[in-house]
Formats: sequence, C-alpha cells, structure tokens
Amino acid sequence: AQSVTQLDSQVPVFEEAPVELRCNYSSSVSVYLFWYVQYPNQGLQLLLKYLSGSTLVKGINGFEAEFNKSQTSFHLRKPSVHISDTAEYFCAVSDRGGGSQGNLIFGKGTKLSVKP
Amino acid sequence: ETGVTQSPTHLIKTRGQQVTLRCSSQSGHNTVSWYQQALGQGPQFIFQYYREEENGRGNFPPRFSGLQFPNYSSELNVNALELDDSALYLCASRMDKGATYGYTFGSGTRLTVV
Repeated sequence: AQSVTQLDSQVPVFEEAPVELRCNYSSSVSVYLFWYVQYPNQGLQLLLKYLSGSTLVKGINGFEAEFNKSQTSFHLRKPSVHISDTAEYFCAVSDRGGGSQGNLIFGKGTKLSVKP
Repeated sequence: ETGVTQSPTHLIKTRGQQVTLRCSSQSGHNTVSWYQQALGQGPQFIFQYYREEENGRGNFPPRFSGLQFPNYSSELNVNALELDDSALYLCASRMDKGATYGYTFGSGTRLTVV
C-alpha cells in the first residue's frame, strides 16, 4: 500500500518569491510520482511526473520537482511565483509495477496563495 | 484532443435517492477511473474500467457502480445516497493500463446531498 503526505496544508508567499511545496510518500513498491494543480472550480491538471531517469523533473509553468529516493520525497519548486499560480497542488503516486492497476494515491493537497 | 468532459457540473440530490454522473473521455483512452474529492481532501480512487470491464476498485461500497461504453463514455452510479456522498466527482482517462502517461482529468461534477 502507498500513502502520500503533503507537509503543509497552506503556503502563503509573495509574488516573485521562490516556493517549495513538500511531499513525502510511503510505499513498499517502486512508484511513479506526479504533481497536479487544481484551480478553483476546475479538475486536475498534470504539472509534471517522474517515471525514471534524471531525478530533477521539469514541468509546465516553470515548476520543477526533485525525486529523492533515500528520503522518499518529491518536493515541488518554483524560483519565482506569480499571482496566477494561486491554486491547490496535489502530490500523487502510483504503483510502478501496475499493482492496483496504476490508480493514483493522492495527498491532501497544499493551497498556495500568492500575494501581491 | 477533445479532453475529458463531465456532466452535469452541479447536482443536488436528496438522501436515499440515486444519481448517475457521466463522463466523455478522449478518443483512444481505454482506461477510465473515477475519483471522489471531499471538501478539503485529496481525490480518492473509487474504481477503474479498462475496455468496459472493471479492473480495480478502491474502498467504496457496492452502491457505487459504473459502466464504460465502447464510445469512450462512462457512468458513475450511486444508489441510496448519503450525506457523506457530497463531494466533487472526477473522471480521469488514459491511453493504456499502466500509469506512465498519467491521467487526463475532467472538471468534475459537484454533488450535494441534502
């Protein structure tokens, strides 16, 4: 079984400041890792994913994340945020071996609030 | 790509009633999954269909059921609605059985049970 912990429920930050949203996971099997963003009253949009290879993954809208296997972490970063980045961000994992048919296990989300 | 479309966008039902939510997936996406997102929570996996057969289920009771059709549309049915069923229901589709491509999510149906 897998679980995902997003360490901060809310992160307030000023515009143009850097931000890091933290994600730790627990799993007895190898996993794929994902970050999704949810804007108000919308569904989930994939920001980036880690499947294999380089542990630094670049996504859309200037976001990147680093996979750290030893710390079982997949933190999301952006060097300079914009007002439009205000949204809720979800970290998710799925079983690399296809267990549970690859369904996603989500964290509870982190609300990023960017202030002018 | 046409994306994933869900209908209706909002719905209010009375406790004990039945509801059907609909999803139209992207062409070629053989796998569709449904998720329940309660207020302030992350989405939780309900079940998954691959080529019209259920091939995975989360920790949800049998009154949650589904169908997938050959035209890439699908349904989520919930019987005997309870107040705790109030949530955003998300449909997600992908091309294959595995997770390598990630899901494409719809905008969801907001169900309120009163």
